[in-house]
Amino acid sequence: KAGVTQTPRYLIKTRGQQVTLSCSPISGHRSVSWYQQTPGQGLQFLFEYFSETQRNKGNFPGRFSGRQFSNSRSEMNVSTLELGDSALYLCASSLRLTGAGNTIYFGEGSWLTVV
Amino acid sequence: TQLLEQSPQFLSIQEGENLTVYCNSSSVFSSLQWYRQEPGEGPVLLVTVVTGGEVKKLKRLTFQFGDARKDSSLHITAAQPGDTGLYLCAGGTGANNLFFGTGTRLTVIP
Repeated sequence: KAGVTQTPRYLIKTRGQQVTLSCSPISGHRSVSWYQQTPGQGLQFLFEYFSETQRNKGNFPGRFSGRQFSNSRSEMNVSTLELGDSALYLCASSLRLTGAGNTIYFGEGSWLTVV
Repeated sequence: TQLLEQSPQFLSIQEGENLTVYCNSSSVFSSLQWYRQEPGEGPVLLVTVVTGGEVKKLKRLTFQFGDARKDSSLHITAAQPGDTGLYLCAGGTGANNLFFGTGTRLTVIP
């Protein structure tokens, strides 16, 4: 059973540009969550999608957005990139909505560097 | 925002030693999960505990959920270099949220 796949693995962008990251969940999983991981802030929740609808949103500015397609694949977009957006962006999938006792599976992440 | 503080933040020990990592919060969680993350990879779930006072063992790893469901600990016996990594606790709430701790970076020296 294939795991969570994220693309691209590494990318470098310039301040002011935008970026789109992609996530393919485990087959049959309908929930996809996105997290930002930085050395200073740790792992922070961005948003969660389930059945193409955003179900939860973290405390990030509107420059961060996402969507989920009918095949459960998800994309996240960051517009007007800032240096502080440099981070590892992790996608996680699960059968049901993230919650008590639910198991989520992470991808290897997309390393974004903003210069 | 539910804040989960982990201690210590960094830990470097010799192979064969024992260690305990703590995860504390002022909030009550319906579940507590522990993950290990190795460099260049995403976090991997180690265990989920859902009952206050629950203790789970996974080979040399022992996980405990506090009676009040506000804290948890991870104890590793006879640490090995393969245990090296970032250990993350995560608290789940009934509102379908998962809050991650600040992390403990463990290095086991051969």
